[in-house]
Amino acid sequence: QLVLTQSPSASASLGASVKLTCTLSSGHSGYAITWHQQQPERGPRYLMKLNSDGSHIKGDGIPDRFSGSSSGAERYLFISSLQSEDEADYYCQTWTTGIQVFGGGTKLTVL
Amino acid sequence: EVQLVESGGGLVQPGGSLRLSCAASGFTASSNYMSWVRQAPGKGLEWVSLIYSGGTYYADSVRGRFTISRDSSKDTLYLQMNSLRAEDTAVYYCARQASGYYYPDYWGQGTLVTVSS
Repeated sequence: QLVLTQSPSASASLGASVKLTCTLSSGHSGYAITWHQQQPERGPRYLMKLNSDGSHIKGDGIPDRFSGSSSGAERYLFISSLQSEDEADYYCQTWTTGIQVFGGGTKLTVL
Repeated sequence: EVQLVESGGGLVQPGGSLRLSCAASGFTASSNYMSWVRQAPGKGLEWVSLIYSGGTYYADSVRGRFTISRDSSKDTLYLQMNSLRAEDTAVYYCARQASGYYYPDYWGQGTLVTVSS
């Protein structure tokens, strides 16, 4: 079964960097994922598509502060120079024929 | 500029029906796969349905009750929801899928559906 696992919460200080992790279920380590940001009371926003080799394609207008990498079944979202507006929920997503799957989301707090 | 604007949400009784609409602009909606994703209050995102050139897909939780469709002449996506249950209460987002892929690259702002007596 295709499942994405995320830690429920993370925190980091203003101006610092943070790494968020999304883990693919067993047998699915070759899958690409996407990352999406949801600020409070807003619709989600596509950040990037992240392939198993770590290459990624960012959405329109996404700052260079956002990047991604991959290792095995883990997919990472890196955010550098944290700003207050980065405080949001972050979701990973993947797909196979006939279904899409979202991770449970990570709530990022900027201290 | 790509824009997606949902409408049609509201309060409906259990067992009732509702049709959501999503007006697309800034691109030709019929050229892209499109999906609906929902978010129950205080919860995460849940994929609901997708329409592509060859047909439709549904999550198990809505299959047989919801129908996704689109009107290419109006660049509008629809979600017909029947036999609604309390657990269908959520904000419903429409999302454009990246060309040829099954992931969202643009999202709407959502419309709230509340199922309650």
